[in-house]
Amino acid sequence: QVQLVESGGGVVQPGRSLRLSCAASGFTFRSYGMNWVRQAPGKGLEWLAVIWYDGSDKYYADSVKGRFTISRDNTKNTLFLQMNSLRPEDTGIYYCARSWIKYSGFADWGQGTLVTVSS
Amino acid sequence: QAVVTQEPSLTVSPGGTVTLTCGSTTGPVTSGNYPYWFQQKPGQAPRTLIYDTTNRHSWTPARFSGSLLGDKAALTLSGAQPEDEAEYYCFLSYSGGRWVFGGGTKLTVL
Repeated sequence: QVQLVESGGGVVQPGRSLRLSCAASGFTFRSYGMNWVRQAPGKGLEWLAVIWYDGSDKYYADSVKGRFTISRDNTKNTLFLQMNSLRPEDTGIYYCARSWIKYSGFADWGQGTLVTVSS
Repeated sequence: QAVVTQEPSLTVSPGGTVTLTCGSTTGPVTSGNYPYWFQQKPGQAPRTLIYDTTNRHSWTPARFSGSLLGDKAALTLSGAQPEDEAEYYCFLSYSGGRWVFGGGTKLTVL
């Protein structure tokens, strides 16, 4: 069955960087678009970024454009989110989610990894 | 900047029917916004229920259905079960590579 396992979360100081990973299994990773979504404590969902199945296109929410970079390694079935210049408002649970097609979309979700930005 | 609007909260009786709606501040919601609906229970990851307005995933119970209702997307729950109590999020696609979640609807089954 489809499994998405996020890792790399933790406590980080404002202005520092963090790299999240999402290990995928149970499906042909290279055939599907992938997303990152976050949820601040007690708040709703916020879409952050999407990457096409082959990495040829990437889109970002305005709130993270220029600071976050989505990427993927189809040889290692892994999705990444490089987060730079972190701010306290970036605190939250970060989820990766698989599309049901090669491009944008949603099907399966991981369980999330918690990022806390605090001094 | 588009804002996706949802009812903050709704209540449905067990076995009853309820419709959640999803609007956009930029104008009518159409199939071109490819509406999605997600369910999230406390302490759990979201789960995708509906994609591209009306399509269920294999795990989506048949009591959930998606549609367009007037100028909005809609999620109808027919025959509500206690386990359907959750937060429900709408998600819309906009031109230029923008995707936006609604603020969520807290559904109570009571």
